[in-house]
Amino acid sequence: AQSVAQPEDQVNVAEGNPLTVKCTYSVSGNPYLFWYVQYPNRGLQFLLKYITGDNLVKGSYGFEAEFNKSQTSFHLKKPSALVSDSALYFCAVLTGANNLFFGTGTRLTVIP
Amino acid sequence: GAVVSQHPSWVICKSGTSVKIECRSLDFQATTMFWYRQFPKQSLMLMATSNEGSKATYEQGVEKDKFLINHASLTLSTLTVTSAHPEDSSFYICSARDDSGTGYSPLHFGNGTRLTVT
Repeated sequence: AQSVAQPEDQVNVAEGNPLTVKCTYSVSGNPYLFWYVQYPNRGLQFLLKYITGDNLVKGSYGFEAEFNKSQTSFHLKKPSALVSDSALYFCAVLTGANNLFFGTGTRLTVIP
Repeated sequence: GAVVSQHPSWVICKSGTSVKIECRSLDFQATTMFWYRQFPKQSLMLMATSNEGSKATYEQGVEKDKFLINHASLTLSTLTVTSAHPEDSSFYICSARDDSGTGYSPLHFGNGTRLTVT
């Protein structure tokens, strides 16, 4: 079965510093991986996806993610964090049933 | 970009009543929509897959008679929480897949509905 794990419930980073939100996956076959962001009392917004191709995927709002097959990871990164990046971030994998399995989420707080 | 409108954004109802939540794709057609439930500080849990013109597919443990799903058109799916109880209080989010995309296209999410049952 396809699944993802987000090992950190909370990540704090100072404004202007690089940020990383971790995600590892467990799949049979090729993974189709996604990152979404959720602001308070809102739905999810798509950030980026990895289907195939370059391991470094660039997405919305300056975010990028690196697909690492040997480490089965798909960490979300941004070179310089903004206070407005503070939100809940979800990693997800496309399942065999063609829906998304979400990780438990990581709350990112960017400290001014 | 593709927009999914979910209504209402919040609702308070009394125990025993029913509540209907609407999910509309505004500028695309969606044969398939998904309903999720999110508990505080937890991830989204898929409740059911809504298919236009056919019965919804419910995930294990989700009561289909309690959470009625109707997908009557290519742009509208509704979730009705019947005989609501306080434990049904939660944040419900719908998402839709654009029919013009591939299976790997990102889902488009509504803004969610906060249901509080008193």
